Amino acid sequence: LAKTTQPISMDSYEGQEVNITCSHNNIATNDYITWYQQFPSQGPRFIIQGYKTKVTNEVASLFIPADRKSSTLSLPRVSLSDTAVYYCLVGNGNSGGYQKVTFGTGTKLQVIP
Amino acid sequence: DVKVTQSSRYLVKRTGEKVFLECVQDMDHENMFWYRQDPGLGLRLIYFSYDVKMKEKGDIPEGYSVSREKKERFSLILESASTNQTSMYLCATHSLGATNEKLFFGSGTQLSVL
Repeated sequence: LAKTTQPISMDSYEGQEVNITCSHNNIATNDYITWYQQFPSQGPRFIIQGYKTKVTNEVASLFIPADRKSSTLSLPRVSLSDTAVYYCLVGNGNSGGYQKVTFGTGTKLQVIP
Repeated sequence: DVKVTQSSRYLVKRTGEKVFLECVQDMDHENMFWYRQDPGLGLRLIYFSYDVKMKEKGDIPEGYSVSREKKERFSLILESASTNQTSMYLCATHSLGATNEKLFFGSGTQLSVL
């Protein structure tokens, strides 16, 4: 399973765009990149996933360069409610019929008023 | 919506007690996982199961066991609870054969072992 590296923490003011980068140098050809968000005292929840180039949904955008060795989660105009821990995962749900999914330590985003 | 239900939100147990943490899902997912989460350490995988009666060790299985008698239910067992097992425990499910890594988590059980 590809290992990921993210910054431990980030601060941002309300209304700014926040970009969180994740490094995954040994990503496999059939791996997807997935980001989760976790609020205090809750389980993580899926926010976005991509394979290459750019993916956008109502919550965030995900930018993946051609070599796929990194990815950037972009949160537009953050608010205080975006304060959370963000996890980057890399893997493939079809690998051998089952898989072991391991999270890293994530990036703690603090949005400041 | 996928629902992953953990039986207790908060649990307080004494050292040496046998503890059962229950997780039930309503989406017929094959894969189920147990994680623990501690400050500064992120989520660490304890055990996972890819089918009924099947289980695999995760990164930190010592002191834990699991049971999967029915597809919808995955139990984490602490045979003899110790204070270093005080933690937030999170259950998750994942659908086999999906082309992606989408996991669905329960709300967690905060276990305190005194």
